Amino acid sequence: DVKVTQSSRYLVKRTGEKVFLECVQDMDHENMFWYRQDPGLGLRLIYFSYDVKMKEKGDIPEGYSVSREKKERFSLILESASTNQTSMYLCASSPGGDNQPQHFGDGTRLSIL
Amino acid sequence: AQSVTQPDIHITVSEGASLELRCNYSYGATPYLFWYVQSPGQGLQLLLKYFSGDTLVQGIKGFEAEFKRSQSSFNLRKPSVHWSDAAEYFCAVGPGGYNKLIFGAGTRLAVHP
Repeated sequence: DVKVTQSSRYLVKRTGEKVFLECVQDMDHENMFWYRQDPGLGLRLIYFSYDVKMKEKGDIPEGYSVSREKKERFSLILESASTNQTSMYLCASSPGGDNQPQHFGDGTRLSIL
Repeated sequence: AQSVTQPDIHITVSEGASLELRCNYSYGATPYLFWYVQSPGQGLQLLLKYFSGDTLVQGIKGFEAEFKRSQSSFNLRKPSVHWSDAAEYFCAVGPGGYNKLIFGAGTRLAVHP
C-alpha cells in the first residue's frame, strides 16, 4: 500500500512565523500535491510538483511556497503565517502517466494564533 | 471551466437504508471521475474510479457509481448503509495534467441507528 506521511497531525503557530509542513511518500511517485481543506469549499490545490525541483502553482498559491529537493519529500512553506491560513492541509501523491488516482496523507490541522 | 458540484451538503440516512450521493461535473472532454471518502480525522481514501468502458463501476466497501454522460453525473450508491459509513464523501474530476483533480465541496453523511 502507498504510504503518504505528513509530519504533524496538529500544529499551532503564531502570526508572522515561517511554518514548514512536511510530506513524505514511499512509492516513488512522480507527482505530489498540497491542498487545503475548508468546510464547504472542499479541497483546493495550493501547489503541485511533477518532478524533483519542479513545481507549479495551483488555484490558491498566494502566501505559500513549496520545496521538492528529493523525490519522496514535498514541503509546504507558509512564509509569514496569517490567521486566514488556519486550515486542514492535505498532501497527496500519484504515479506518473494518465489515469492514476491520488493517494492522501492523514492531514495536518494547522492553527495560526 | 472544469467544475464539480455536489448538491447535498449534509445527508442523514438510517442504518440499513439505501444511499445515493449526487455528483455533477462540467468538463470539456471525456472525464476521469473519482469518489473519495474521508473519515473523521483522516485523509481521503479512494472508493472507486471511472475512466472508460462499463458505466457502472464497483468500488470498495460495497459502493458503486454510475457514469451518465447525458446528465453529466457520476452518482455514488450503496444498497444498505452501515453506521461505519458515516463520513464525508468527495467527488473529483480529472485529468488536469499530471493527474491533477478538481474536487467537489463534499457531502457529509450521518447514519442513524
